Amino acid sequence: EIVLTQYPGTLSLSPGERAALSCRASQSVSSSYVAWYQQKPGQAPRLLIYGASSRATGIPDRFSGSGSGTDFTLTISRLEPEDFALYYCQQYGSSLTFGGGTKVEIK
Amino acid sequence: EVQLVESGGGLVKPGGSLRLSCAASGFTFSSYNMNWVRQAPGKGLEWVSSVSSGSGYIYYADSVKGRFTISRDNAKNSLYLQMNSLRAEDTAVYYCARVIVATRGPSDYWGQGTLVTVSS
Repeated sequence: EIVLTQYPGTLSLSPGERAALSCRASQSVSSSYVAWYQQKPGQAPRLLIYGASSRATGIPDRFSGSGSGTDFTLTISRLEPEDFALYYCQQYGSSLTFGGGTKVEIK
Repeated sequence: EVQLVESGGGLVKPGGSLRLSCAASGFTFSSYNMNWVRQAPGKGLEWVSSVSSGSGYIYYADSVKGRFTISRDNAKNSLYLQMNSLRAEDTAVYYCARVIVATRGPSDYWGQGTLVTVSS
């Protein structure tokens, strides 16, 4: 099973700042089959990115994904107040697993 | 508008059974693979099971294999999860979700979830 490790566990930033969230896989993820989700308390996850860098429908272009092999990054170029939430990475190249999450909180 | 509505959650004793349902609307259900994903209280997301559009491919997480059964009825636009031999560690909110690529792939639409509590 591919284990995904997300870091940092918590990111404390101010609105307008840039956020870079990392996701490291225990082995190479084939075809960059990595997705990113945002989740707010009491809500279902929301798909942001799939295929490592493709934005899902309706996702603002301040969200971008990059990476290949074992290292992947979700970047939020300028944090909006509604972006403070939990973020999960997911790999679907070999079965399907999620990372433990990164919380983006207001500094 | 795409909608996924789960039902069937509740309180069940260890060793008991429960059947979850997910009613889909607003899209051609029979054309999409589907996932069940769960989230224990205060914890992260865990993939449970996936079924292809025509039920030809079915996958389970090791943690539920042999105890849970995923199925779908395309005529009724419904997805199901039969859960047997339930354990305390199965306590979670269970989400059904539409898969956009691959059989076990990322999900673009999710239901609101249904809570399953396994406790004596």
